[in-house]
Amino acid sequence: GEKVEQHQSTLSVREGDSAVINCTYTDTASSYFPWYKQEAGKSLHFVIDIRSNVDRKQSQRLTVLLDKKAKRFSLHITATQPEDSAIYFCAAPLVGSALGRLHFGAGTQLIVIP
Amino acid sequence: GGIITQTPKFLIGQEGQKLTLKCQQNFNHDTMYWYRQDSGKGLRLIYYSITENDLQKGDLSEGYDASREKKSSFSLTVTSAQKNEMAVFLCASSISGANTGQLYFGEGSKLTVL
Repeated sequence: GEKVEQHQSTLSVREGDSAVINCTYTDTASSYFPWYKQEAGKSLHFVIDIRSNVDRKQSQRLTVLLDKKAKRFSLHITATQPEDSAIYFCAAPLVGSALGRLHFGAGTQLIVIP
Repeated sequence: GGIITQTPKFLIGQEGQKLTLKCQQNFNHDTMYWYRQDSGKGLRLIYYSITENDLQKGDLSEGYDASREKKSSFSLTVTSAQKNEMAVFLCASSISGANTGQLYFGEGSKLTVL
C-alpha cells in the first residue's frame, strides 16, 4: 500500500525567512496530495492541496510543488510568521479508494523564531 | 459552515475496559473517519464509513469496533483498553465523490489508560 514519509521531524526558521517541508510517496498512481496543519493543542485543518495534472499550485504565501518522477512533493511557505508555527502533515490517498482515505506522513514541526 | 463535535474530549479508562467515543457532524457529509494519532507518528486510519450503516476497516482496526447508525454520527469503541495506552482519536468527515478529498476534523478525544 501507499507509504508517505516526511523525513524532517523539526524545522526551525527565522521570522520572514522561507520554509520548505518535503514529503515522499511510494505509489506511482497517486494523484492527490493535500497538506494539513495542526497548531499546538488543536486539531488538523486543511491548508492546500495539489493534483497530479499540475506540478505547482500557489495560494498566497503557500506553494506546493510536485515532482512525479521523484515521487516527491513539498510545501513552501514564504515570509514566515509566528502563526505559521505548527506541525504540518502531508498525505496521499490509498489508490483505488475514496479520495478521503488518506495516508499521512509523521508530520514536520515548523518553528518560526521571532 | 459546519462543525464536527467529538465527545468526550478526555477519557480515562482502566485496563481491559470497553470505552466508546462519539462523533457528530452537521456538514451533511457522506463519509466519516476515525484516525488515531500517537505522539511523533502520523495519523493512522482505524475505521471509515461511506454512508449510514456502512463500515470499512482501516489499517488499525484490530481492537476497535465502530458504528454508523445515522448519517450524522459515527462512534468508535475500544474493545479492551491496553494498560498505559495514550493516544488522541480524531474523527473526520468528507464529501464523497466530490472533486476534493478535503477532510474536516474534530478537536480530538484524548485517551489515557491507567
